Amino acid sequence: QITLKESGPTLVKPTQTLTLTCTFSGFSLSTSGVGVGWIRQPPGKALDWLALIYWDDDKRYSPSLKSRLTITKDTSKNQVVLTMTNMDPVDTATYYCAHSDSTGWEYFDYWGQGTLVTVSS
Amino acid sequence: DIQMAQSPSSLSASVADRVTITCRASQSISNYLNWYQQKPGKAPKLLIYAASTLQSGVPSRFSGSGSGTDFTLTISSLQPEDFATYYCQQSYSTPRTFGQGTKVEIK
Repeated sequence: QITLKESGPTLVKPTQTLTLTCTFSGFSLSTSGVGVGWIRQPPGKALDWLALIYWDDDKRYSPSLKSRLTITKDTSKNQVVLTMTNMDPVDTATYYCAHSDSTGWEYFDYWGQGTLVTVSS
Repeated sequence: DIQMAQSPSSLSASVADRVTITCRASQSISNYLNWYQQKPGKAPKLLIYAASTLQSGVPSRFSGSGSGTDFTLTISSLQPEDFATYYCQQSYSTPRTFGQGTKVEIK
């Protein structure tokens, strides 16, 4: 059974750095074709793809946020960490991590419950 | 970035209605197209990948079609549990963009 769970601060101040951790079980991020991605959703708005890390440590970022994002994995701990620098109120959103099956067509088949991050002074 | 445009943005339908949602990509994405369903306060759920392949456990009333730039999600007979927001997503290139969503409401 695959599960993922996001953790991190619920409130950050503008200009601070956000660090979110995705802790997962039921799969290994060292298995060929597996990835973990981050997606966010501002309140009442659409899904926004942020970043994805693959089993071979290949990393993909949203070009519009690439300068602010870093995604890393710790295979031994079954964790993926996303950092986002210089947070702004417009970054207020629910942040999801999700398991990606990238063996053929890439898709997110398992999602965490999401964590709401509010950016406010 | 590849832009994904869904239509309509919202629709009202009755139980047992046939519902079709359209997703158009700003350039060809072959069949690298996924559909998700999201209910309020919940994470999205994968319905269809590769444009037309039903994810395991998803009811057969859901179907997808299309390739290139134009895609559709069809619900053959709308059920009460299908009232939700639906998103398309392309996985052809980075960033793996989502559409703006289509909210299916009860008429």
